[in-house]
Amino acid sequence: GNSVTQMEGPVTLSEEAFLTINCTYTATGYPSLFWYVQYPGEGLQLLLKATKADDKGSNKGFEATYRKETTSFHLEKGSVQVSDSAVYFCALRAGSEKLVFGKGTKLTVNP
Amino acid sequence: NAGVTQTPKFRILKIGQSMTLQCAQDMNHNYMYWYRQDPGMGLKLIYYSVGAGITDKGEVPNGYNVSRSTTEDFPLRLELAAPSQTSVYFCASSYRRGVEDTQYFGPGTRLTVL
Repeated sequence: GNSVTQMEGPVTLSEEAFLTINCTYTATGYPSLFWYVQYPGEGLQLLLKATKADDKGSNKGFEATYRKETTSFHLEKGSVQVSDSAVYFCALRAGSEKLVFGKGTKLTVNP
Repeated sequence: NAGVTQTPKFRILKIGQSMTLQCAQDMNHNYMYWYRQDPGMGLKLIYYSVGAGITDKGEVPNGYNVSRSTTEDFPLRLELAAPSQTSVYFCASSYRRGVEDTQYFGPGTRLTVL
């Protein structure tokens, strides 16, 4: 079946550090890939997405590239801020199937 | 637009009680979803609906029921609450067209069953 594996957290960084959160997937066909972010006490919000191989999704300084050869969609940001502290979820949707989420990675950014 | 709204925000139930979690969206979305989020885990789909009058089971439907009488509303019913249903519940909606399917989430309902 379809599944998403993302790196275990928590991740703690200092402000302005470089961020990578790894995400790999298993799916039939050509899934769409998503990163969602959940700020404390809130619901999930779409951060970025990519719908085909080699697409790069980007938003708020975050980027992720859909790599079919490595079945990966790693999230990166060059310089994190305290306000980026949140839980990040990688997700996929294959065809008409429902969204499948990873377990989430908690990021804490210290000033 | 208010987006996706959920009530209540918090609730404590005793074992065996029942309750309905309310969810409404004002974006005219055709798809609606209920998820639960357990600590340290991702979201698991409970039920979903592709339109008014149509619902279907997700991964973890046992102990829950849903109905979708209107496009806007998608209540989740818990009958005979159990401690295993202690979780945070999120409602979401989307307008699915081809590959476009961005889900919009409500703020969640934190439920404790004692």
